[in-house]
Amino acid sequence: QSALTQPRSVSGSPGQSVTISCTGTSSYVGGYKSVSWYQQHPGKAPKLMIHDFSKRPSGVPDRFSGSKSGNTASLTISGLQAEDEADYYCCSYAGNYTWVFGGGTKLTVL
Amino acid sequence: QVHLVQSGAEVKKPGASVKVSCKASGYTITASYIHWVRQAPGQGLEWMGWINPNSGGTNYAQKFQGWVTMTRDTSISTAYMEVSRLRYDDTAVYYCAREVGGNRDLNWFDPWGQGTLVTVSS
Repeated sequence: QSALTQPRSVSGSPGQSVTISCTGTSSYVGGYKSVSWYQQHPGKAPKLMIHDFSKRPSGVPDRFSGSKSGNTASLTISGLQAEDEADYYCCSYAGNYTWVFGGGTKLTVL
Repeated sequence: QVHLVQSGAEVKKPGASVKVSCKASGYTITASYIHWVRQAPGQGLEWMGWINPNSGGTNYAQKFQGWVTMTRDTSISTAYMEVSRLRYDDTAVYYCAREVGGNRDLNWFDPWGQGTLVTVSS
C-alpha cells in the first residue's frame, strides 16, 4: 500500500480540465518535501511532467500545472487532448534517502 | 541530450539471477545518482533503490535489501541492477532513471531508460 494516495481513475472530455490528487501523510507532501509527476503511456517509460510541486520542465505543454495544499499535491491538465490519455504517478522523497510513488491514476479522455 | 539505454528483455527460471544494464550518454555518469524502479504487469511504479556512480554507494528499499544489488562501471558509463533468487512475482519491467536537482530530498527523475522486461518462467 503506497504512502501516497491517488484516485484510480479520472476522466474528462476534450477541452475540459481534470485534476489528479496525490495525498500523503505529514511526512510526505505536507512537509517541505517535493512532489514530482510522471506521465506514462502504455508500453512506454514514464516521462517527467512536473517537479518541485509546480515547476514544468521545458518541452512540457503549459496545459499541465501542479500545486500543493496541505498534505495534497495536485496535477491539473487543462484543455484536455486525446494524447493526454495515460497513467499519471506522483512521487515524493520518503526520508532516509528513499522515495515513494503513488499508486497511479488512469486518465481517460472521453 | 541525456539518454539512458537499457539492455534487452530477459527470460529466467525461478531461482536464477538477472543483471540489467543502463548505459548513460550525454552527461558524466558520476555526476548524478541512478535509481531503479520496477513495474509489474498491470501494476504501478515501485521504487527499488539508487546507486551513487561516483562512490558506488547504494541505498535500497527495505523490500529489496539482501537480494538486489546495484553496481556501476564508470569506464563505460553503465549502471547495473542484479536481482538474485528470482521468483515468479519478480516478472516486471525494470527502469533506470537519473536523479536530478540540487537537494536530494527535493529531487526528481529525468530521464528514464526505455525499460527492460524480465520474465520469470519455468
